[in-house]
Amino acid sequence: NAGVMQNPRHLVRRRGQEARLRCSPMKGHSHVYWYRQLPEEGLKFMVYLQKENIIDESGMPKERFSAEFPKEGPSILRIQQVVRGDSAAYFCASSLSRDRLFYEQYFGPGTRLTVT
Amino acid sequence: QKEVEQDPGPLSVPEGAIVSLNCTYSNSAFQYFMWYRQYSRKGPELLMYTYSSGNKEDGRFTAQVDKSSKYISLFIRDSQPSDSATYLCAMSGVTSGSRLTFGEGTQLTVNP
Repeated sequence: NAGVMQNPRHLVRRRGQEARLRCSPMKGHSHVYWYRQLPEEGLKFMVYLQKENIIDESGMPKERFSAEFPKEGPSILRIQQVVRGDSAAYFCASSLSRDRLFYEQYFGPGTRLTVT
Repeated sequence: QKEVEQDPGPLSVPEGAIVSLNCTYSNSAFQYFMWYRQYSRKGPELLMYTYSSGNKEDGRFTAQVDKSSKYISLFIRDSQPSDSATYLCAMSGVTSGSRLTFGEGTQLTVNP
């Protein structure tokens, strides 16, 4: 399967715990994007990363949220001290590198986070 | 005001009907326009993208962009029950090719 992979698919956390969401981009893709889909809302951009570099984090909440895309391994979206309002579907997308102005973004199946 | 507005529906049509899905937007910097299809509890699947104004056809799907009206459309001909899904429009600018701005999605049901 050469598509974007995300794990876990479902994650349940109690308030105050940490959530770690992982994303492996499509083969050959070096750019990763994270989006959040709250219940009854559209997808909202959170952060854009390439290997070892955050390019745009303008959609990330200022506190408790962080993202990384190390040289080796998957991209990680980390949510510390989760609250019930963090319950949502988190989607990762990937694209080819930016030697053109635009590349299509391909999405993974998402991680559904439930905070109890 | 939201940057991208999309009628959430739900929209229900009989099999074989022509479906028209639409989005309006306010940001004149948007240059790339995409349509994604999302089945329940799945990730969005890219259907088509267009650059600037014009039409693009792919099988039963046609995307139209009218930048002067800030209005985009997706037409589905000969709709099938398998087309039942939520359709999301998305947009990005030339310099913000990194971030997509989505509409809220239109839920479509095609009845056999």
